[in-house]
This record gives sequence, structure tokens and C-alpha cells, in this order.
Amino acid sequence: EAQVTQNPRYLITVTGKKLTVTCSQNMNHEYMSWYRQDPGLGLRQIYYSMNVEVTDKGDVPEGYKVSRKEKRNFPLILESPSPNQTSLYFCASSLGTANSPLHFGNGTRLTVT
Amino acid sequence: AQTVTQSQPEMSVQEAETVTLSCTYDTSESDYYLFWYKQPPSRQMILVIRQEAYKQQNATENRFSVNFQKAAKSFSLKISDSQLGDAAMYFCAFSMEYGNKLVFGAGTILRVKS
Repeated sequence: EAQVTQNPRYLITVTGKKLTVTCSQNMNHEYMSWYRQDPGLGLRQIYYSMNVEVTDKGDVPEGYKVSRKEKRNFPLILESPSPNQTSLYFCASSLGTANSPLHFGNGTRLTVT
Repeated sequence: AQTVTQSQPEMSVQEAETVTLSCTYDTSESDYYLFWYKQPPSRQMILVIRQEAYKQQNATENRFSVNFQKAAKSFSLKISDSQLGDAAMYFCAFSMEYGNKLVFGAGTILRVKS
């Protein structure tokens, strides 16, 4: 089944403790991206990647890192999480053409205390 | 920068009735794509309908249709014969032709009354 898999689905952590949210897709998609969803703000793009070893900042990249060492994986790294990073996170992927739909993962609810 | 505005934080509709969700956007570009996504309590993001800006004809998908007014930069979603399963958060989103970044509105919570 074609899908974008995010893990974990829920994560509670403390301020400053490094964490990684994994994202994997099995559709051989070129394009992958991360969004965060906050009440009243919708979803905002954090980082995106057009291909292996090619990543770029989105609209809200501060406090986040990403890597794209393999085509299928695009982990989101929070090296020193803070409470303002408490949010719902989505990974998404697509073929990378202009009108190809984005396929979303099922989201990761992160709480930083 | 492109922006998307959904002015209705919440809407309610009676089962079997019709409801329209509003969306306006701002861009200086002429080629782009517009989307409506549905997010049920499961948090899954489900693409409901898509509109290409170069197409004058409004997109339809079964009970879902849009009213795309390019000059007014308006993109409303009409849900006909509303069902209990339509209850969800609905997001309007914009995408440029040359990329896959989506710019989302804040969302509208739709409640369906039986």
C-alpha cells in the first residue's frame, strides 16, 4: 500500500531533550516536506526536500533540522525542543511535479513540557 | 508571499442540507492550484477537491463542488446533501505551479447536526 509513515504518533518530552520524528514513504517520491499545525494558524511548512541531499527552509524552520540521506526517508530533528514547539506535525511527499498531489502521513502529536 | 484566509472558524449544517465554506487568497501569480483538504478527528489529511487556476470550469467531486472566482481571488467549497461523516476541519490551500509547497488557511470546523 502506498503510504507515508510517521513515527511516533504521540510524543511527550521535556525541554532540551533531543528528539527525532521519522518519516518514510514507499512511493519513490522526489519531494518531501514537514509541516506543523497549530490552532488558528493552519499548517505551515518547516522544511522541504526536492531530492536526496537537497533540503531547504520553509516558513518556520527555526529550531528544526532535517536530513535526506535516502530518497525514502526524511527525519525531522529537534535538537533542543522548547514548549513553543508543542504542535501537530505532518510529513508529506509527492512526485515533485507541479500538479502532483501531496500524500500526508498521519501526524505526530508532540508535547514539550 | 501568498496568503490564504478562511474567515469562518466554525460552521454548522443540518444533515442533508447544503453548506458553503469560504476561502480567499492573495497572490500576484496567474498560474496556481487551489485545494480543499478535510481533516477528521483521526487527523488524517484527505484531499477533497482541486482546482487549476487556468481552468474556468469549477471542479466537482460527487457532493463537493467549488465556486472559483479568479478575479475576486475567492475559492469556496459547497457540500451538498451533508452527511454526518462530513464533520471535520476543512482547510483551504494554495500551491504555486512550480512547486509543491502548500500555503494553508487557518481552517473551518464543520459540524453536522442529525
